[in-house]
Amino acid sequence: DADVTQTPRNRITKTGKRIMLECSQTKGHDRMYWYRQDPGLGLRLIYYSFDVKDINKGEISDGYSVSRQAQAKFSLSLESAIPNQTALYFCATSGPTAPNTGELFFGEGSRLTVL
Amino acid sequence: ELKVEQNPLFLSMQEGKNYTIYCNYSTTSDRLYWYRQDPGKSLESLFVLLSNGAVKQEGRLMASLDTKARLSTLHITAAVHDLSATYFCAVDMSGGTSYGKLTFGQGTILTVHP
Repeated sequence: DADVTQTPRNRITKTGKRIMLECSQTKGHDRMYWYRQDPGLGLRLIYYSFDVKDINKGEISDGYSVSRQAQAKFSLSLESAIPNQTALYFCATSGPTAPNTGELFFGEGSRLTVL
Repeated sequence: ELKVEQNPLFLSMQEGKNYTIYCNYSTTSDRLYWYRQDPGKSLESLFVLLSNGAVKQEGRLMASLDTKARLSTLHITAAVHDLSATYFCAVDMSGGTSYGKLTFGQGTILTVHP
């Protein structure tokens, strides 16, 4: 089983719908992230959380919200999806274990299409 | 604002040849990462470079970091088909206990052909 699990893996929805992407991890890491991947743009940070009570905006947070339900769970929501949110979304984790390399461990990705 | 640029963005290589992918970044950082992504798959960590002059090697891939030049290279030696993938560099300028917020390059799509 994957250490970082994302659901759903694929989702097609319509403009204006609310969508939630879920991420759970068994790595025991405190830090969790949501990134978005678009062709030719690399990955861009949407939100990140360093512990359950800590939520921070990333580079492209507009139109998104997150919830850290537990150390192991971090969900990304699109309150009213629009077509330019069509992308591949990745959840990632990193741990505070010494030495803290900051290395990220990624989930399998959730492909979202907004029609 | 931190910018990370990779060069080239597309690389078509012949098996057995050598080549280098470059990663330039715009502000001071001493932490750089290389990831590999196969089509439709997740990102796999290749190298973690944590100081100036760091060099790491794994099989046919070798990565280095020059923090003064703000440059990292990923050198491919005697390419084989299995190396075909997209390669990303990513830079962390968070500092201190905030490490983990990475800025990614655009990715280099590598195709190795006979």
